[in-house]
Amino acid sequence: DVVMTQSPESLGVSLGARATINCQSSQTLLYSSNNKNCIAWYQQKPGQPPRLLIYWAFTREAGVPDRFSGGGSGTDFTLTISSLQAEDVAVYYCQQYCTTWWTFGQGTKVEIK
Amino acid sequence: EVQLVESGGDLVQPGGSLRVSCAASGFTFSNSWMHWVRQGPAQGPAWVSRINGDGSVTNYADSVRGRFTISRDNAKNTLYLQMNDLRAEDTAVYYCTTWGVSGTGSHVWGQGTQVTVSS
Repeated sequence: DVVMTQSPESLGVSLGARATINCQSSQTLLYSSNNKNCIAWYQQKPGQPPRLLIYWAFTREAGVPDRFSGGGSGTDFTLTISSLQAEDVAVYYCQQYCTTWWTFGQGTKVEIK
Repeated sequence: EVQLVESGGDLVQPGGSLRVSCAASGFTFSNSWMHWVRQGPAQGPAWVSRINGDGSVTNYADSVRGRFTISRDNAKNTLYLQMNDLRAEDTAVYYCTTWGVSGTGSHVWGQGTQVTVSS
């Protein structure tokens, strides 16, 4: 299976400051049809399903604020929140969907410092 | 609007069986791979199973192979997960999900259905 290693486990950030979450895959993940990285990022709040933020590593889902951005290449990817807002307190997960068995990172809990 | 709605979750005794369903709308269901993902208490999501558009190809996570069966009824636009020999570790919210159905590569998840295995 492809292992997705996410860091840090938790992150305390001041309101308005930048938050960066890292995700490393155990192998390069490229979708054969379009040569894009099959990496997605999700936000999850208690009692809610995961909310898609980013797919194809960089593409922001419709309706997602532009303070959220995805980056990276190869096996190293990032989710950046450029200016943390109170409503961004949540757990964030990376996911690879290139292989038959999708795998997810362990999650990063983002809190206000 | 693309929508997935799960149902059928319940409290089940260890060793019991349960079938959960996912009603799909807003896209061509019969052309789409469909997946089940589950999330246990205080855990991250974990992929469970997938099925292709006509139901001829299925795949399972090692933890459920031989106990769970994924299937679909394209006439009813509905996805199923039959779960047998349930264990405490199968306790989770079960989500159905798909991607790429709107042509952009976006992913769609349902709200989930709770399955609890306990005596």
